[in-house]
Amino acid sequence: KNEVEQSPQNLTAQEGEFITINCSYSVGISALHWLQQHPGGGIVSLFMLSSGKKKHGRLIATINIQEKHSSLHITASHPRDSAVYICAVQGLGGGSNYKLTFGKGTLLTVNP
Amino acid sequence: ETGVTQSPTHLIKTRGQQVTLRCSSQSGHNTVSWYQQALGQGPQFIFQYYREEENGRGNFPPRFSGLQFPNYSSELNVNALELDDSALYLCASSLSPGQGYEQYFGPGTRLTVT
Repeated sequence: KNEVEQSPQNLTAQEGEFITINCSYSVGISALHWLQQHPGGGIVSLFMLSSGKKKHGRLIATINIQEKHSSLHITASHPRDSAVYICAVQGLGGGSNYKLTFGKGTLLTVNP
Repeated sequence: ETGVTQSPTHLIKTRGQQVTLRCSSQSGHNTVSWYQQALGQGPQFIFQYYREEENGRGNFPPRFSGLQFPNYSSELNVNALELDDSALYLCASSLSPGQGYEQYFGPGTRLTVT
């Protein structure tokens, strides 16, 4: 079982819909990251959070440390939101424990 | 402030050859991490360098090695290339290796081994 599980793997939505992507993890973490990857590879960091909720524009990220679960929400989705969304957790402690462990990503397609 | 850059963008090598990939960190960042992303998978941690020393390593064989220079730019070297080494290689820099520091990713180098 992977340390970081995302759902769904693939998501297709119509423009304007509210979207939720979920991430569950099984280890203690110091932070959780939500990342966006467009075709061609480049990764952009959307959020880094260790508790509560963060909002940036139409994107909202929440985390429940006790339940080891995070969600990424996109309100009023747009075709330009189409990308792979990746959840990654940052471990506790020193050395390689600070590494990021990634989920496999959720491929989001927003149709006009 | 320049972001993280990587070179080359694409690379094709033959099995058994050696390859060097380069990463230039964001200004002021002393920590760089390297990741391998196979097609359809999430990135996997290769290793991290902090102030020119290796600061942690993932489950990759010794033929994957790295360097970090005094200006904090970095190299990833892979010897004796295998077909399974074909992947997108990403580097990410941060202000510190500690918790709570955001990692900034480069655009990646896509390596194809034939």
